[in-house]
Amino acid sequence: NAGVMQNPRHLVRRRGQEARLRCSPMKGHSHVYWYRQLPEEGLKFMVYLQKENIIDESGMPKERFSAEFPKEGPSILRIQQVVRGDSAAYFCASSPLPGTMSNQPQHFGDGTRLSIL
Amino acid sequence: AQKITQTQPGMFVQEKEAVTLDCTYDTSDPSYGLFWYKQPSSGEMIFLIYQGSYDQQNATEGRYSLNFQKARKSANLVISASQLGDSAMYFCAFSNTGNQFYFGTGTSLTVIP
Repeated sequence: NAGVMQNPRHLVRRRGQEARLRCSPMKGHSHVYWYRQLPEEGLKFMVYLQKENIIDESGMPKERFSAEFPKEGPSILRIQQVVRGDSAAYFCASSPLPGTMSNQPQHFGDGTRLSIL
Repeated sequence: AQKITQTQPGMFVQEKEAVTLDCTYDTSDPSYGLFWYKQPSSGEMIFLIYQGSYDQQNATEGRYSLNFQKARKSANLVISASQLGDSAMYFCAFSNTGNQFYFGTGTSLTVIP
């Protein structure tokens, strides 16, 4: 009965390093969403993926950020050359249906807290 | 553009009392969904309740109910018989036919013993 699994729970990086965040969706869910939560703020959408496809990346910064959801394995959010402003909680969510309609909520993981030194 | 607003940064409620957390939204879409999530200090996001724009009745889930006023574009969360474990951040979220949720800035609820 595993929910959405994110790892690591906490990640510390120095400026200029790369950060890789992993997300395994709930069993039977093939739709993955990444959100970023800055301190004292709500979650902001970054990207929506299905297996091997990026469907909507309208919320993702154009540079340094990338996401993938390969045929096998977890979804990865990758941040290259991290800067202090990347410090935030990154949440992954999954759903069994595409989009956000119907009474199927997006189920969230516990998040990855990224700290940049 | 979709917009969702939570105007109460912080709320206090006495244990066993009821509390209402406000949420308003702005959309021209006829079809949409409204969700409430709870985020305790441990950080996880916990789904609480859902209301569809075409639902005739207000949603209820245990001690949680959603006061949906479509004409006023409001979807307030009502927590009855508050418990100490209800102390957390509460986020209202909006979705339409797109691919994402739009989250409000949240309300911090503190339950006082």
